[in-house]
Amino acid sequence: QVHLVESGGGVVQPGGSLRLSCAASGFTFSSYGMHWVRQAPGKGLEWVAFIRYDGSNKYFADSVKGRFTISRDNSKNTLYLQMNSLRAEDTAVYYCAKDVNMIRGVTPDYWGQGTLVTVSS
Amino acid sequence: QSALTQPPSVSGSPGQSVTISCTGTSSDVGSYNRVSWYQQPPGTAPKLVIYEVTNRPSGVPDRFSGSKSGNTASLTISGLQAEDEADYYCSSYTSSSTLVFGGGTKLTVL
Repeated sequence: QVHLVESGGGVVQPGGSLRLSCAASGFTFSSYGMHWVRQAPGKGLEWVAFIRYDGSNKYFADSVKGRFTISRDNSKNTLYLQMNSLRAEDTAVYYCAKDVNMIRGVTPDYWGQGTLVTVSS
Repeated sequence: QSALTQPPSVSGSPGQSVTISCTGTSSDVGSYNRVSWYQQPPGTAPKLVIYEVTNRPSGVPDRFSGSKSGNTASLTISGLQAEDEADYYCSSYTSSSTLVFGGGTKLTVL
């Protein structure tokens, strides 16, 4: 079955950087678009980014545009989120999620358990 | 990229039905049949319960149903059970090729 495992979370100072990874298994990773979605403590879900099945196109929320980059390595079945210039408001659990579609990020159907990122001095 | 609008909370007794609304704009909910609903019990990852407005993934009880009219989508849970108590989120594809979520609704089973 579909299995997504995020890693790389932790505590980072404001202005710092962090790279999250998401290891995928149980499906043909190279055939599906992938998302990152975050959830601040006690708050709702916020979509962060989407990448097409082949990495050819990437889309970002305005709140992270220019600071975060999404990428994937289909040979390693792994999704990444590079986060730079981190701010306190980026503190959240970050989930990776598989989409039902290869090209458009229309419906995340399977989610990982998330990794916590805390931005604090 | 404003969040879709959901009521903060709804409640119902076991066996009753509840409906959660999700209001967007003509740039998201109103233009695409790509509305999904997610169930999130405390401390767990979201689980897809409705996709493409009305469709249920395999394994989701038929007590869960979805609909849409104009810029507003709805999730109805009939025959409420204690296990349905959770936060529920809607999402929609947008004209900017992005995804937007609702603010979430806490369902309490009395």
